[in-house]
Amino acid sequence: EVQLLESGGGLVQPGGSLRLSCAASGFTFSSYGMSWVRQAPGKGLEWVSSISGSGGSTYYADSVKGRFTISRDNSKSTLYLQMNSLRAEDTAVYYCGRRAGNTVPTKYFDSWGQGTLVTVSS
Amino acid sequence: SYELTQPPSVSVSPGQTASIACSGDKLGDKYACWYQQKPGQSPVLVIYQNNKRPSGIPERFSGSNSGNTATLTISGTQAMDEADYYCQAWDSSFSYVFGTGTKVTVL
Repeated sequence: EVQLLESGGGLVQPGGSLRLSCAASGFTFSSYGMSWVRQAPGKGLEWVSSISGSGGSTYYADSVKGRFTISRDNSKSTLYLQMNSLRAEDTAVYYCGRRAGNTVPTKYFDSWGQGTLVTVSS
Repeated sequence: SYELTQPPSVSVSPGQTASIACSGDKLGDKYACWYQQKPGQSPVLVIYQNNKRPSGIPERFSGSNSGNTATLTISGTQAMDEADYYCQAWDSSFSYVFGTGTKVTVL
């Protein structure tokens, strides 16, 4: 059974930093691209960042480019999101998601974690 | 930017059919999928590649995609189907794009 477990959320002041983790199990982690998707309170889903299975390719939404860094440790089956220069508008539940495959028809998320809440406030 | 627009809400009586539209420029040229999200829970994939159902998803969920509109149809809607639904597509320029979301209420 695929399991994704996020951690690392919490309360941080504007301008601060936080690192999220997503521990994966139940599948060959290195074979799958992974992503972070966030949801602000009462709002819709927003894609944040993606990384290829090898970690060699990374992608970011314009709203976080230059502030957030996605990475992975395939030996630990863990995905990370380093968030710097945090703003109030970054407040959201952050989900990690497994991309179904590497081709265009498979660019969707077939498994999601339970999410971790990040609150940016003074 | 690429945008996917959904109606904010859809109401349906138990046992009836609910249809949720997702509109985007030439969306029919892309692959659309749909997620169900119940309050306090993570999203769950219910339709992928326009019209395919993951294992474990009831047959009452179906999808289509043509022109500028993808549609999620719930036939014989049950109370347990009350949730928020999001469409999603992938665009080569804008990566993963989610729809604005639709709240389905089963009256």
